[in-house]
Amino acid sequence: NAGVTQTPKFQVLKTGQSMTLQCAQDMNHNSMYWYRQDPGMGLRLIYYSASEGTTDKGEVPNGYNVSRLNKREFSLRLESAAPSQTSVYFCASSEGVSVYSNQPQHFGDGTRLSIL
Amino acid sequence: AQKITQTQPGMFVQEKEAVTLDCTYDTSDQSYGLFWYKQPSSGEMIFLIYQGSYDEQNATEGRYSLNFQKARKSANLVISASQLGDSAMYFCATNTQISSGSARQLTFGSGTQLTVLP
Repeated sequence: NAGVTQTPKFQVLKTGQSMTLQCAQDMNHNSMYWYRQDPGMGLRLIYYSASEGTTDKGEVPNGYNVSRLNKREFSLRLESAAPSQTSVYFCASSEGVSVYSNQPQHFGDGTRLSIL
Repeated sequence: AQKITQTQPGMFVQEKEAVTLDCTYDTSDQSYGLFWYKQPSSGEMIFLIYQGSYDEQNATEGRYSLNFQKARKSANLVISASQLGDSAMYFCATNTQISSGSARQLTFGSGTQLTVLP
């Protein structure tokens, strides 16, 4: 059972470079999420996708863009990386017909991103 | 706005003993969910247990149980018969709407680092 798969697991970028973090889930979940986790803090929501074809901003969306490519895949793009975006990024998905439910979210293993 | 408070930055427990990790929350929502996640040193986030605000019985999942006291707005995690593999960071979270009619997001506490001693 793969669950939620994130690639890459590690990445080092220089300030100003761009990159895309990939996420795919095989649980047929409708809703997908991107979070960042900084030292000493819980996760903070960047963007989410309630269903295929829709995306919305979370708590900390500045500097990021997302694409819900299909039901399985949800990518996160940093257009011009900044040191403040050094973090661990988690993708998650949840079951149920919509994000209005109280279903738990299932997480990928995370991407450790460093911006120099 | 949602707020989750975990007042214990670190906890120690002897192997095979029970431990309670505290969590209080602040919400004006009538319907909400409470979640506990485990994050071992390897970094992945592992879902442990869920309690719905309208559930009358406390949730249980194997050695994990959730002591839910709605009036006190607390949702403490109880781990029975601790094992060395339980050493990890534990996060409490609640599922709240970002704005009226929007999706629910998880709001996390700052976590409790649990160390199980042999």
